[in-house]
Amino acid sequence: QVQLVESGGGVVQPGRSLRLSCAASGFTFSSYGMHWVRQAPGKGLEWVAVISYDGSNKYYADSVKGRFTISRDNSKNTLYLQMNSLRAEDTAVYYCAKTLRYFDWLFDAFDIWGQGTMVTVSS
Amino acid sequence: EIVLTQSPGTLSLSPGERATLSCRASQSVSSSYLAWYQQKPGQAPRLLIYGASSRATGIPDRFSGSGSGTDFTLTISRLEPEDFAVYYCQQYGSSQVTFGPGTKVDIK
Repeated sequence: QVQLVESGGGVVQPGRSLRLSCAASGFTFSSYGMHWVRQAPGKGLEWVAVISYDGSNKYYADSVKGRFTISRDNSKNTLYLQMNSLRAEDTAVYYCAKTLRYFDWLFDAFDIWGQGTMVTVSS
Repeated sequence: EIVLTQSPGTLSLSPGERATLSCRASQSVSSSYLAWYQQKPGQAPRLLIYGASSRATGIPDRFSGSGSGTDFTLTISRLEPEDFAVYYCQQYGSSQVTFGPGTKVDIK
């Protein structure tokens, strides 16, 4: 079945780095744009970043630009989020999500979501 | 950045009643690139509606979306017990995707 599984979350000190992974299965990963979305405890959803199906285009929320990097390895069916210079306000559940339509649909609704991985930034 | 405002913040209704949720954008949403999601505690969001009015695969027809430009509506015709949750609208018509703050539908 179509599935996304995030990993890599944990507790990290402010200013440190963390890399999240999202393993995809059940669909042709290399054909779809992929996004990261986060949700702070008790709060709403915040879009973080997107990468095109072939990795050639990337966009970021202003709140993470210059600190976070989205990437993908289509040979491993895996999406990544490298998070540097972490701040307390980055504390959240991080979800990866698949676009509904493929190839040029970089900005699209998200039809499949992972279960999320928790990142806590605290000293 | 397009700011989305959802109203009401909380909607208290009984099973069987009709729910009407509003999402208003600070500027026109390109090509009605507006989606609705349902989220239950401890779960990931679930896509209900995309393109303002198209139901996602497997979504019951009691869920419907409408609107264009800056004003959008999600209607649940008759609330089932499993529909009590938080609902978010999202616009994906610009390179800065944004979500609304959510509307909680709870049991009256």
